Amino acid sequence: GAGVSQSPRYKVAKRGQDVALRCDPISGHVSLFWYQQALGQGPEFLTYFQNEAQLDKSGLPSDRFFAERPEGSVSTLKIQRTQQEDSAVYLCASSEDNYGYTFGSGTRLTVV
Amino acid sequence: KNQVEQSPQSLIILEGKNCTLQCNYTVSPFSNLRWYKQDTGRGPVSLTIMTFSENTKSNGRYTATLDADTKQSSLHITASQLSDSASYICVVTTFNQAGTALIFGKGTTLSVSS
Repeated sequence: GAGVSQSPRYKVAKRGQDVALRCDPISGHVSLFWYQQALGQGPEFLTYFQNEAQLDKSGLPSDRFFAERPEGSVSTLKIQRTQQEDSAVYLCASSEDNYGYTFGSGTRLTVV
Repeated sequence: KNQVEQSPQSLIILEGKNCTLQCNYTVSPFSNLRWYKQDTGRGPVSLTIMTFSENTKSNGRYTATLDADTKQSSLHITASQLSDSASYICVVTTFNQAGTALIFGKGTTLSVSS
């Protein structure tokens, strides 16, 4: 596709439920980033992939958060045993050259 | 600690008026500074990118300035339109062991009313 596609757009999860968020980057973009954006805040870095290699996962808030990009294209962010503080918009961005970044529209996760 | 501070937090202006948004940063090392526009429910979209040596850059009615000495940037919007209502986020790119990293401000929420 022409842009970064994220699904689902909205997800409501009961506390304790596991969720999986998907990101389809622009074809050929080597770099892929995940960010967490709380209401009224700027995006906060979670993790970074270069192709299939996860080069930086320093932003993942706990071991309940796990991300993968097994074939160097589609990425999945998984959150286990969701908690209310996980409620946020999860943004994915991809880049061809780590200069220009294209963001998806995000997945809004609400944990009830 | 790398930080990007933006002001004001929110702003309301009348359609057709100009406005200026501010960004101060303490990020090192510095690679470039970006301004993004984020419409409600959408991802951020790049407006301008400035390197250390660039003082000003324009994109239509948007003009960004950068003072690398004082570590300040501004985004000026001319003749505002209703469609300018959005969050404007200042982002500084830095380097870390993994490569490049984007440090985001919290954004300024702009509301343009008729």
